[in-house]
Amino acid sequence: GAVVSQHPSRVICKSGTSVKIECRSLDFQATTMFWYRQFPKKSLMLMATSNEGSKATYEQGVEKDKFLINHASLTLSTLTVTSAHPEDSSFYICSAIHLRNTEAFFGQGTRLTVV
Amino acid sequence: KNEVEQSPQNLTAQEGEFITINCSYSVGISALHWLQQHPGGGIVSLFMLSSGKKKHGRLIATINIQEKHSSLHITASHPRDSAVYICAVLLNEKLTFGTGTRLTIIP
Repeated sequence: GAVVSQHPSRVICKSGTSVKIECRSLDFQATTMFWYRQFPKKSLMLMATSNEGSKATYEQGVEKDKFLINHASLTLSTLTVTSAHPEDSSFYICSAIHLRNTEAFFGQGTRLTVV
Repeated sequence: KNEVEQSPQNLTAQEGEFITINCSYSVGISALHWLQQHPGGGIVSLFMLSSGKKKHGRLIATINIQEKHSSLHITASHPRDSAVYICAVLLNEKLTFGTGTRLTIIP
């Protein structure tokens, strides 16, 4: 089946630095990818919709200058957490919808810890 | 009010029991997904439904579009089924998630 690969799976960074997370669709093209954030024992919350070749659409309350999204190709979207703070520590996960059958595929997730 | 409601929130059962997790939603949708999230965080898509019923191994998913309700069943449950099960509805290419059901199967 289709696979979405997310990297890295775990990252620890210092406050003030930036972290880039990659999301790749390995065997299908995804014009749209989604970035979610999940706090412990909570639902996935949509942060933004990443559109290939155009600007991302951010959900209300998500700072676009803080969470930079780049969807440079039909198989790659990146999320960069800029000037990270400890409160940005969370589980970030991407997904892509297979346009042919609307099936959703998820990356493995990235656990970010900002110290 | 969440557009997607799941019940129960937590479920503990003995190995071998038949498990049912319910999902109700309040909007018209194009598809409904059942997802499984293990403690490490990774999410696996179990089913995508737009009508009727699907079966994969010991897992069965049903959906009633008119009643806006779906159920996930697990037959002959096993400790390895322990995970969080999440219902998500697809509308306009966006997924809205339920709060999840934490299932624990005791040997």
